[in-house]
Amino acid sequence: EPEVTQTPSHQVTQMGQEVILRCVPISNHLYFYWYRQILGQKVEFLVSFYNNEISEKSEIFDDQFSVERPDGSNFTLKIRSTKLEDSAMYFCASTDEGRASPLHFGNGTRLTVT
Amino acid sequence: EDQVTQSPEALRLQEGESSSLNCSYTVSGLRGLFWYRQDPGKGPEFLFTLYSAGEEKEKERLKATLTKKESFLHITAPKPEDSATYLCAVHYKAAGNKLTFGGGTRVLVKP
Repeated sequence: EPEVTQTPSHQVTQMGQEVILRCVPISNHLYFYWYRQILGQKVEFLVSFYNNEISEKSEIFDDQFSVERPDGSNFTLKIRSTKLEDSAMYFCASTDEGRASPLHFGNGTRLTVT
Repeated sequence: EDQVTQSPEALRLQEGESSSLNCSYTVSGLRGLFWYRQDPGKGPEFLFTLYSAGEEKEKERLKATLTKKESFLHITAPKPEDSATYLCAVHYKAAGNKLTFGGGTRVLVKP
């Protein structure tokens, strides 16, 4: 069964450094998402991406965050200057249809900012 | 104000002891309610989508139901491998194309 893959599984970085989290969505999917889960808290939406542009973003997704689909298979999340509070699990998700269709999640990247 | 609330937060069951998990929601214009299973250190794994009140879905020992205010996930005769966190999420009209998650129920099934 096709799956969403994310790399790396764990990233440790120092405060103020830039990180890029990478995702390969399911190949025929058109809608891509990033969510995050701070330890012990709910899964929360960051951004959605369709047709090579951001379709929606949360208030968490400020100017420090950006997303890109550099080629036909990868989908990346960049954090320009990491803060301690960015430490979380970051999940990429994709779906083949738009609204109200199930999202398929990757296994996440655990980001630790020291 | 929480829009999706799951209860209980944690549930300890003996193998074979059936139980139900609750997901209550206060959103209007529900477009879909989703159940996911999450194992430690992993991403949410899709289980079910429910679209309208009265709808039911089943998969092995799991059965999900939906009313206008809440959804239940029934676990019948659970096995230790059913131990996981079960997440509920909703998609609703005013939320654009994002899911809003509840806090999850951690289920531990002891042999």
